[in-house]
Amino acid sequence: QSALTQPASVSGSPGQSITISCTGSSADIGSYNYVSWYQQHPGKAPKLIISDVDRRPPGVSSRFSGSTSGNTASLTISGIQPEDEAKYYCSSYTSDTSLRIFGGGTTLTVL
Amino acid sequence: QVQLVQSGSELKEPGASVKVSCKTSGYSFDRYVINWVRQAPGQGLEYMGWIDAETGKSDLAPGLKGRAVISLDIPGTTAHLLISSLKADDTAIYYCARDVRIVGTMQFAYWGQGTQVTVSS
Repeated sequence: QSALTQPASVSGSPGQSITISCTGSSADIGSYNYVSWYQQHPGKAPKLIISDVDRRPPGVSSRFSGSTSGNTASLTISGIQPEDEAKYYCSSYTSDTSLRIFGGGTTLTVL
Repeated sequence: QVQLVQSGSELKEPGASVKVSCKTSGYSFDRYVINWVRQAPGQGLEYMGWIDAETGKSDLAPGLKGRAVISLDIPGTTAHLLISSLKADDTAIYYCARDVRIVGTMQFAYWGQGTQVTVSS
């Protein structure tokens, strides 16, 4: 099945806000509220930062927020900090396989 | 606290099989779904499949059906991933991950540390 589409990279200066998009289809993002986002630092396991489109797990900074519009999900990081530099993956349930699919990942660079 | 501890690195020849284990603790094992995700070198995340620790029901991504099996050792609170007929492009870090809620949503709140599987002759 096709992966969700994310930009390869985004960048911003400390304190700025950035948004990462994740485009899918009516078989996934457009029809289900099981969109999640993961942060992965090099050499580490991914970390859940958003579930169910816009729910933050305990301990995740309120600077991270999620939303959807149509077939596109978005992750916004407000007031980015150097420690936010990482790769971010979106994920959704898909009715094509009744399983999960991931986006290709977006590298955030904090300038 | 919830912990998922995976077995160690594996080096296998093409055509061989590998079994990766995921020992869990800190929660009621039979109430959550365990998922498997892999990441090839320099690549993104690939969802592999899940197993419901209460019912034993499982499912695999289409490309793995017939070649992979997910199983449970309930008394040992451990999940296993067995992949047979290994190919070079199975070389990856394999992660187990526990669902965020009891009703399986395939959203992964807790992750193992990862197991490197290398397939090479």
